[in-house]
Amino acid sequence: DVKVTQSSRYLVKRTGEKVFLECVQDMDHENMFWYRQDPGLGLRLIYFSYDVKMKEKGDIPEGYSVSREKKERFSLILESASTNQTSMYLCASSLWGQGKTGELFFGEGSRLTVL
Amino acid sequence: QKEVEQDPGPLSVPEGAIVSLNCTYSNSAFQYFMWYRQYSRKGPELLMYTYSSGNKEDGRFTAQVDKSSKYISLFIRDSQPSDSATYLCAMSGGAQKLVFGQGTRLTINP
Repeated sequence: DVKVTQSSRYLVKRTGEKVFLECVQDMDHENMFWYRQDPGLGLRLIYFSYDVKMKEKGDIPEGYSVSREKKERFSLILESASTNQTSMYLCASSLWGQGKTGELFFGEGSRLTVL
Repeated sequence: QKEVEQDPGPLSVPEGAIVSLNCTYSNSAFQYFMWYRQYSRKGPELLMYTYSSGNKEDGRFTAQVDKSSKYISLFIRDSQPSDSATYLCAMSGGAQKLVFGQGTRLTINP
């Protein structure tokens, strides 16, 4: 089974802190994604990566950056956390672009609260 | 206007009922349509996948796509309490990015 692991399920941070959210997948997928999920807004794409060291902005990249130094690991960075970044963050991976359906495999999420 | 619209509910039905979940969309380039199910405190998981128009059935679940009306549906027959979850529609024009609906929170009451 594909497994996407998010290292932290629950985090509480203070405004202005730097926050790292880590995600690791074990199925050799090229594509990895970071979404945030908010009530009434659904899933919104922050950043995605289709290869090591490659990244592309999603729909809401402001206030975030990402790092993909290894194929299996994709990190989301909040340089200076703000209260409006309180949310559920979901990491996903996929094999889109290789004749596959593009199914996204999600981690269990990291719930971040910024005080 | 959002590219994908989905009624967030909540929707509550008795066990055994037929459930209908729907999404509308505005982008005529969408051709890959998916339904994800998300249990509480879990990540979404793919439930149904349909390419272009038509119907697809898998057990108690049927996915329908009407591209002429830009409308997709998920039907659940003989609904069970274990079907209680949030259901998210998602679609794409063939690129890597999926566009998600807001999700519908469904509760099946025993």
